[in-house]
Amino acid sequence: EIVLTQSPATLSLSPGERATLSCRASQNVNNYLAWYQQKPGQAPRLLIYDASYRATGIPARFSGSGSGTDFTLTISRLEPEDFAVYYCQQRSNWLTFGGGTKVEIK
Amino acid sequence: EVQLLESGGGLVQPGGSLRLSCAASGFTFNNYAMSWVRQAPGKGLEWVSVISASSGSTEYGDSVRGRFTISRDDSKNTVYLQMNSLRAEDTAIYYCAKWTSSGWYIGSYFDYWGQGTLVTVSS
Repeated sequence: EIVLTQSPATLSLSPGERATLSCRASQNVNNYLAWYQQKPGQAPRLLIYDASYRATGIPARFSGSGSGTDFTLTISRLEPEDFAVYYCQQRSNWLTFGGGTKVEIK
Repeated sequence: EVQLLESGGGLVQPGGSLRLSCAASGFTFNNYAMSWVRQAPGKGLEWVSVISASSGSTEYGDSVRGRFTISRDDSKNTVYLQMNSLRAEDTAIYYCAKWTSSGWYIGSYFDYWGQGTLVTVSS
């Protein structure tokens, strides 16, 4: 099973700041990695797929990068609605999710 | 607009059974694989099961294989999850999610999710 390790567990930032979230895979997942956003009491929402492609309707301030085993989700300038938990997910070998990174207001 | 509406959750005793349903609308249901993902209270996401568009192929996570069965009825645009031999650790919100392709293909993802239904396993 491919293990996805997300860091940091919690990121404390202010609106307008840049957020950088990391997802590291225990094996090569090529580019088959997605990012999801989940707000309290809501279902997850697909943000990024194939490591760097924004899903439909996702603002340009969200960007994904990386390949192989190291991936990054960047939020260029945090808006109030961006404070949430973010999960990475791979579908290269079976299917696994990372443990999540909570982006909270500082 | 894509909509996924789960139902069937509730309180069940350990060892019991429950059947979840997910009614889909807003897309051509029989063209896409469908999946169940769960989230224990305060925890992360765990993939449970997937069924391909043809219903010819199903896959399960290790923790539910042999106890849970996924199925679909394309005439009703509905996917089901039959859960047997339930354990306390199965307590979670169960989300129905649409897959981006017709099958269990590499490089596919969940592009739409329902709001979830809570399953509580407790005596």
